Amino acid sequence: EDQVTQSPEALRLQEGESSSLNCSYTVSGLRGLFWYRQDPGKGPEFLFTLYSAGEEKEKERLKATLTKKESFLHITAPKPEDSATYLCAVHDSGGGADGLTFGKGTHLIIQP
Amino acid sequence: DADVTQTPRNRITKTGKRIMLECSQTKGHDRMYWYRQDPGLGLRLIYYSFDVKDINKGEISDGYSVSRQAQAKFSLSLESAIPNQTALYFCATSDLDANTGELFFGEGSRLTVL
Repeated sequence: EDQVTQSPEALRLQEGESSSLNCSYTVSGLRGLFWYRQDPGKGPEFLFTLYSAGEEKEKERLKATLTKKESFLHITAPKPEDSATYLCAVHDSGGGADGLTFGKGTHLIIQP
Repeated sequence: DADVTQTPRNRITKTGKRIMLECSQTKGHDRMYWYRQDPGLGLRLIYYSFDVKDINKGEISDGYSVSRQAQAKFSLSLESAIPNQTALYFCATSDLDANTGELFFGEGSRLTVL
């Protein structure tokens, strides 16, 4: 059974204070690891897909990295508008139900 | 207009009532999904469909049914709603041809069962 664990559950940072969110996963075979951003009352919004260990992707103040067991979402010099819940999900090639398996998310608050 | 549209956005109902949540998409994707989101539990897959003739159960299908009326329409029904089905429900699509696994979500339908 696929497992996705995100930590911390919640994180409060000052504006400009860089940090990282963690996503550890267990899958039969990884087809892709996804990061989504979700604002309150909204649907998740796609950020990145990573396919193989060592891969990195960047978008503005966000950088996602992947190893064989975990992924990190690094946030550099965050701004209040980066406040959201960040979701990690995996796409497993090992059979079973289609779709993505999600972690519970990290609720990020950036204080001015 | 949104690519994935869910109706209603909010619904309050009573225990035992039948409820239908509807989803339509303009992305032209074959795959459609229904997820529910609960605080502390994350997003969990209810049902998914690859085309109008292909319906599959997800992780938590008990108490739910679905209908794929057309490539662009996928509805979720609660035949007899119960309070623990109170949740935020999301419809999502993905592109079979691209086969990246990326999901595109609607804005959600908040259901409250009293």
